[in-house]
Formats: sequence, structure tokens, C-alpha cells
Amino acid sequence: DIQMTQSPSSLSASVGDRVTITCRASQTISNYLNWYQQKPGKAPEVLIYAASSLQSGVPSRFSGSGSGTDFTLTISGLQPEDFATYYCQQSYSTPPYTFGQGTRLEIK
Amino acid sequence: EAQLVESGGGLVQPGGSLRLSCATSGFTFSAYWMAWVRQAPGQGLEWVAHIRRDGSERYYVDSVKGRFTISRDNAKNSLYLQMNSLSAEDTAMYHCAREAAYDSSGYYKAFDMWGQGTLVTVSS
Repeated sequence: DIQMTQSPSSLSASVGDRVTITCRASQTISNYLNWYQQKPGKAPEVLIYAASSLQSGVPSRFSGSGSGTDFTLTISGLQPEDFATYYCQQSYSTPPYTFGQGTRLEIK
Repeated sequence: EAQLVESGGGLVQPGGSLRLSCATSGFTFSAYWMAWVRQAPGQGLEWVAHIRRDGSERYYVDSVKGRFTISRDNAKNSLYLQMNSLSAEDTAMYHCAREAAYDSSGYYKAFDMWGQGTLVTVSS
């Protein structure tokens, strides 16, 4: 099975900052990579699919990049509502569609 | 408005069984692959099982193979997860999720809709 590793596991940032979260796959997955945001007590929501495509309704300050095994999620100009946990997920070929372990974004 | 609503969770003893349900509305259920994703308390997301639109393909994470069965009833717009031989490691919030396909080939996909989840606690 494909393993997904995110870094960092947590980070602190301030409103207005630009932050980057990375995700690495244990084998090449082309661009079959999704990013989700989860707030406490809530279900996850998809932000990015196909590594760099923005889900409808998601603010443009969120962006994704990468291909192969290395991917990034960037948030430009953090807003108070962006403090949450972020997960990458690979959707390569057939299931299992594994998630990364998550990155908790906290207010500095 | 499209929605997914899970039910069937609760407290069960080790070795016991539970059947989770996910009632859907507001979209054409039979047109979508569906999945179960779980989250243990304070932990990350774990994909559990997946089922094709017509139920002809099913996939499971290794840790539940032989114990869990995913199924669906397209006439009732419902998804199910039969869980047997439960252990403490299965304690989690279980979410049903809809898989959206973003291209005509279906290669690019993500979970674009989630239920709020139903909590399963395995304890004596």
C-alpha cells in the first residue's frame, strides 16, 4: 500500500502569514493527490484535488502543487478560520486511498 | 440540499458486532462510489472501505478485511457497514463519504461530501 507522510505534524503561524505543508508519497502517484481541511468536531472538507485544482467554493488563498511523490499545500494570507488540521490523501489507481497523518495549524 | 446522515454507532463489547447505516438525500446516490472513513479519538483519518456504484467492487483496509463488509442499497439511497469481531482498535468516529469524480475517465477523485459521523466505542 502507498504510505503518505506529512510534515510538519504541527505548526504555529499568525494571521496574514504564508504557510506551506508538505506531503510525500512512498511511491509515485502522478498528481492523484487531494488536500482536506478538518476543524474540531467537524467532518473534513476537500480543498484541493488532482494536486492543484481548487474545489469549488474554496478561497483562492489555498493552492496546491507537486507531482510524482512530493506535494505541497500553501495558504497565502492566513485567516482566522484557516486554523485547523490538514490532511493529504492519495487517490492513485484503486483503493486503499490512504491519508497522511495530518498537520495541525495553530495560532501563534 | 445534499446530505449524508450516519447512524448505528454505540457502545459494544469486544468481539461484538454493529451495523452502521448512512442515509443519503439530495443527489443521485447510485451514480457515486461511496466510502467509510474513520477517525479514532484524537487521531487522524483512516480510509476503511469503498464500494462501486453498483456494489460490484469493494475494497477494504487490511486491518478490517474479513471482519467488515461494506454494502449499499441504491433503491433506499443508503450505505452500510457491517462490523464483526470488533476490538478496541476499532473505536472511532465513522464517517460515510461520497466520492466525486472530477474528470470523465473517473481517474481524479476525492471525497467531496461527508457525514458528521457516528461514534463506535468498543469496550468491556
